[in-house]
Amino acid sequence: DAGVTQSPTHLIKTRGQQVTLRCSPISGHKSVSWYQQVLGQGPQFIFQYYEKEERGRGNFPDRFSARQFPNYSSELNVNALLLGDSALYLCASSLADTDTQYFGPGTRLTVL
Amino acid sequence: EDQVTQSPEALRLQEGESSSLNCSYTVSGLRGLFWYRQDPGKGPEFLFTLYSAGEEKEKERLKATLTKKESFLHITAPKPEDSATYLCAVQGTGYALNFGKGTSLLVTP
Repeated sequence: DAGVTQSPTHLIKTRGQQVTLRCSPISGHKSVSWYQQVLGQGPQFIFQYYEKEERGRGNFPDRFSARQFPNYSSELNVNALLLGDSALYLCASSLADTDTQYFGPGTRLTVL
Repeated sequence: EDQVTQSPEALRLQEGESSSLNCSYTVSGLRGLFWYRQDPGKGPEFLFTLYSAGEEKEKERLKATLTKKESFLHITAPKPEDSATYLCAVQGTGYALNFGKGTSLLVTP
């Protein structure tokens, strides 16, 4: 079975631009969560979606938004990029919202 | 607010030298405590979920234990391929995983 997939693998943007990151969950998983990981830190929770509804939101500004599609894939959008948004963005999927989360390989975002 | 503290920050072991990593936590209503392994530039790889104090789980050279305040990841006779960052996370009454900063483990031949 395929694991969680994320695209793109790497992305370079400049300040002020907008970016969209994509995630496909493990087959049968209905929940997707997004995390931001900066170097030397543990992942920080951004959003969780379950059955296309937002279940939780972390302490991130409104520049960050997400959605989940009927096939349970998800997109994370970040507007007005700042240098501090440079990080590894991780997507995790789980069967339901409280089950064990399995992570994808991440998208490395660099903001110049 | 849920808090997770991992120690030590970094650990260097010789191949075969057993040791333990610590994860101290405070959480309201623990749903689960999770251990992940992360290689540089990769996503975290799931290792264990522990749900209640006294629970233990094993996988190859790794054994995870849980008390009401902390969890230990015991590594028995480690090999160089066990070198990675080990992350601990708790899930409380919300849905988010709250992670510690991780322990960076280096096992030398």
